[in-house]
Amino acid sequence: GAVVSQHPSWVICKSGTSVKIECRSLDFQATTMFWYRQFPKQSLMLMATSNEGSKATYEQGVEKDKFLINHASLTLSTLTVTSAHPEDSSFYICSAYGTGGNHGYTFGSGTRLTVV
Amino acid sequence: DQQVKQNSPSLSVQEGRISILNCDYTNSMFDYFLWYKKYPAEGPTFLISISSIKDKNEDGRFTVFLNKSAKHLSLHIVPSQPGDSAVYFCAASEGAAGNKLTFGGGTRVLVKP
Repeated sequence: GAVVSQHPSWVICKSGTSVKIECRSLDFQATTMFWYRQFPKQSLMLMATSNEGSKATYEQGVEKDKFLINHASLTLSTLTVTSAHPEDSSFYICSAYGTGGNHGYTFGSGTRLTVV
Repeated sequence: DQQVKQNSPSLSVQEGRISILNCDYTNSMFDYFLWYKKYPAEGPTFLISISSIKDKNEDGRFTVFLNKSAKHLSLHIVPSQPGDSAVYFCAASEGAAGNKLTFGGGTRVLVKP
């Protein structure tokens, strides 16, 4: 089946530093990547949508200069949290939508970010 | 404004019985609905989906029912198993395939042995 590999699974960083999260579609081409964040006991909130080779579309209230999304290839998308603050601590999940075969929305395993 | 709502935050059911999870939506443009299962610190796992042209879809122990006029869908799990204990999210999208998903708040299911 379709697999999306997300790394790292957890990361601790200091305030003010930047953190990059990677998502790779391993066996299909991801035409669209979605990035979500989830706070404890809450739902998944969409942050942005990106199509390969295009600029990401950010949801209302999401700072595009803080959450940099790159989707340079059909198998790789990255989310960089810049100048991280403790309030950015959350669970970040990517989802890839691909074509070919039985591929719908496949989610990565998530990244737990803790900013100290 | 929440466009997808799961009004029951939790559900407890005995092993072997039926679990019924409910989901309501307000956006009449939604035409594709999905259910996901999620464990803590993991990504959601796809369970079953349904298009708005259908009112029922079944896959093994999982059946999803869609009532478009009521803007309501439900997931039936029968028989429930202890391994089904997790948080379940319904999600909806509109328009072309691959459009963004809007998630409900989730329902935590506990299946007791």
